[in-house]
Amino acid sequence: DAKTTQPTSMDCAEGRAANLPCNHSTISGNEYVYWYRQIHSQGPQYIIHGLKNNETNEMASLIITEDRKSSTLILPHATLRDTAVYYCIVRVGAGSYQLTFGKGTKLSVIP
Amino acid sequence: DTGVSQDPRHKITKRGQNVTFRCDPISEHNRLYWYRQTLGQGPEFLTYFQNEAQLEKSRLLSDRFSAERPKGSFSTLEIQRTEQGDSAMYLCASSLLAPAGSYGYTFGSGTRLTVV
Repeated sequence: DAKTTQPTSMDCAEGRAANLPCNHSTISGNEYVYWYRQIHSQGPQYIIHGLKNNETNEMASLIITEDRKSSTLILPHATLRDTAVYYCIVRVGAGSYQLTFGKGTKLSVIP
Repeated sequence: DTGVSQDPRHKITKRGQNVTFRCDPISEHNRLYWYRQTLGQGPEFLTYFQNEAQLEKSRLLSDRFSAERPKGSFSTLEIQRTEQGDSAMYLCASSLLAPAGSYGYTFGSGTRLTVV
């Protein structure tokens, strides 16, 4: 699976959009971009994933650049409960059983 | 069935003792995974099952570790002769074997092991 690079930490004001970047310059054509988050003392939680097109669900939006070498997770209206470590992972779809987590981005939502 | 359940949530044991953790996945999920997470790091893959078959083990899974999923439902992870380096959060996750681009895994809340 391709390697990802994320900033160590970010702050966001409550109610504002949180934009979390991820670089995955070695991504292959059949690799998906997945985002998970981990709130303190809990297991990781799936957020969203995508291949080429931008995706949106009830939790977030995922913007993937045209060359697929980077992506941005957008939390449109961050709340204090969004404070967590966010992990960007690239992997082949159903055939790959492993998730390779990096250290992620620690997002702190500030009141 | 509201998610992946892990038991116990916390375990403190003395070095050299054996410990066993249990994971109950989402009932219709045929894949089950074990991960380990140490402080400040992301989770690391240990092993996974498809139904009752253990199909892959990480090099992190030493001979002291054994995992089972006897009937393709719940799973247990046993650590024999625990060492202080085994102190970590042990996470279980489950998923469906589905076409490419399927949804992500569902993780449990983990078992935090402290070896003293």
